Order: sequence, then C-alpha cells, then structure tokens
Amino acid sequence: DVKVTQSSRYLVKRTGEKVFLECVQDMDHENMFWYRQDPGLGLRLIYFSYDVKMKEKGDIPEGYSVSREKKERFSLILESASTNQTSMYLCASSFMGVSYEQYFGPGTRLTVT
Amino acid sequence: EDKVVQSPLSLVVHEGDTVTLNCSYEVTNFRSLLWYKQEKKAPTFLFMLTSSGIEKKSGRLSSILDKKELFSILNITATQTGDSAVYLCAPYRGSTLGRLYFGRGTQLTVWP
Repeated sequence: DVKVTQSSRYLVKRTGEKVFLECVQDMDHENMFWYRQDPGLGLRLIYFSYDVKMKEKGDIPEGYSVSREKKERFSLILESASTNQTSMYLCASSFMGVSYEQYFGPGTRLTVT
Repeated sequence: EDKVVQSPLSLVVHEGDTVTLNCSYEVTNFRSLLWYKQEKKAPTFLFMLTSSGIEKKSGRLSSILDKKELFSILNITATQTGDSAVYLCAPYRGSTLGRLYFGRGTQLTVWP
C-alpha cells in the first residue's frame, strides 16, 4: 500500500514563528504536492515538486516556501507564521506520466495564535 | 482562467436515496477527470475518467464524463450513512506535471 505520512497531526504555533511541515512517501513517486484546505474553499495548491530540488508554485504560494532534498521527502515552510495560515495542510504524491492519481497523507491541522 | 464548479455544494438525503453529484469544468488542454471521496481525513481516489460516454462503476458508485459539454456526474445509488463525505472532482490538464485542479466539493450527508 502507498503510504504518505506527515510529521504532525496537530500543531499550534505563535505568530511570527518559523514552521516546518514534513511529508514522506514510500512509493518512489516523482511528484509531491502541498495543499491547504479551508471550509468552503476546497483544496488549494500551494507548491508542488516533480523532481528532487525542483519546485513549482501553485495557486497560493505567498508566505510559504518548500524544500525537496530527497525524492521521498517534501517540506513546507512557513517563514513567519500568521493567523491567516491557520488551516488543514495536506500532502500528496503521485507518479509522473503513469497515473494522475494522487495519494494523500492524513493532514496536519495547524493553528497559529 | 481554468474553472471547476461542483454542484450542489451540499446535499442531505436519507439512506436508500439515489444522488447525483455534478462537476463542470473549463480547463485548457484537458486530459482526464478524477473523483475523490473525503471523509474526516485524507481524500481517497474513486475514479479516473478519460473518455466520453464510458461509465465507470464501483459497487453503488458510478461516474461518466461528457467531454463535449464539459461535465461529469457521480451517481450513488441506495445511499448509506457511510457515504457521508465531501466528494471532490479534479480535472487533469496535460503538460502540467501531474497537477490536479480540485473543485470545492459537494458535502453529502446521509441520514439513517
């Protein structure tokens, strides 16, 4: 079974803190994605990566950065957390060019106070 | 600008009812459309549709794509309380490195 894991299920941080969200997949997928999900807004893509050290902006990259140093790991970084970044963060991964199906992690609910 | 619209936004039915969820899209270089089910956790894959008019089925769920009219429907027959979830559709554009474009979802609630 494909497994996508995220470092924390729940996280509470203070405004201005630097926040790291980690995602690891065990299926040798080329693609990895970070989404945030807010009520009524669906899944919005923050960043994605199609290879090690490669990244592409999604629809809402402002206030976020990412890092992909190893194929299995994709990190989302909030340089200076703000209250409007309180959300559910979902990581996903997929193969390139074989299937478009994305496999999701369990999510991290981040609260910024 | 790409657009994905799901309707209705929410739906409340009783067990045994049949429901139809809609997804219309305007996406350049369209390749396929995927449906996901999301309960109180991560979305899980249901179907991928690439050709018009070919119904895909999985148990009580079925889905079909109309590439001329740019929409897809997801049908659930004899609904059960376990079908309560958010259903997401996601068109895939070719040449976008595997990126999906998710709609806002339909919240389905099934009462016993």
